[in-house]
Amino acid sequence: QQQVKQSPQSLIVQKGGIPIINCAYENTAFDYFPWYQQFPGKGPALLIAIRPDVSEKKEGRFTISFNKSAKQFSLHIMDSQPGDSATYFCAASRRMNYGGSQGNLIFGKGTKLSVKP
Amino acid sequence: DAGVIQSPRHEVTEMGQEVTLRCKPISGHDYLFWYRQTMMRGLELLIYFNNNVPIDDSGMPEDRFSAKMPNASFSTLKIQPSEPRDSAVYFCASSSMVGAATYNEQFFGPGTRLTVL
Repeated sequence: QQQVKQSPQSLIVQKGGIPIINCAYENTAFDYFPWYQQFPGKGPALLIAIRPDVSEKKEGRFTISFNKSAKQFSLHIMDSQPGDSATYFCAASRRMNYGGSQGNLIFGKGTKLSVKP
Repeated sequence: DAGVIQSPRHEVTEMGQEVTLRCKPISGHDYLFWYRQTMMRGLELLIYFNNNVPIDDSGMPEDRFSAKMPNASFSTLKIQPSEPRDSAVYFCASSSMVGAATYNEQFFGPGTRLTVL
């Protein structure tokens, strides 16, 4: 119930293409769904996040689509560029409360994206 | 702000030796997380602290692993004795509670690449 399943493991697209990365979760108590981007030799960094009260969130070329009934969410990268080549992680968590044990992020296994020039 | 600082960046040691990884969280953050990243298992949460107190250590693989947070600006992860299967990249992350309840945006350090021969 704590798992977040991410697919595909790897993805290769041409510059300008629209890679889509999918994630699914089981725990209906999750109410925060961030995506992290990781470049080689670096730590993951927050890219964009969504809460389940909306079905879509867009920031620049990055869009999260969220389907609460299906317990799925996905990341779309519009007009992808070689500089977007990185590993992307979806995650899920419950809201944190003061001093509580809730709120730690559960990460998917990651998707390695390569954008060819 | 300097971000989350980890040291050393690389560590090569021999099986059986003690290894200590260090982390300085972002000033003012009251949550600190230790993760391990491998190709096989992805990002695994090992332990996290709130206000220097360990909240959940269920991810610590075995008694050879221990973590401490003696003050708000420093944490260590120790492996004693180390084994080749401990080879991984270890990340420290920190986050902050704002208001009565919040979502867990974590800021990751650059990681420590550990190789146990």
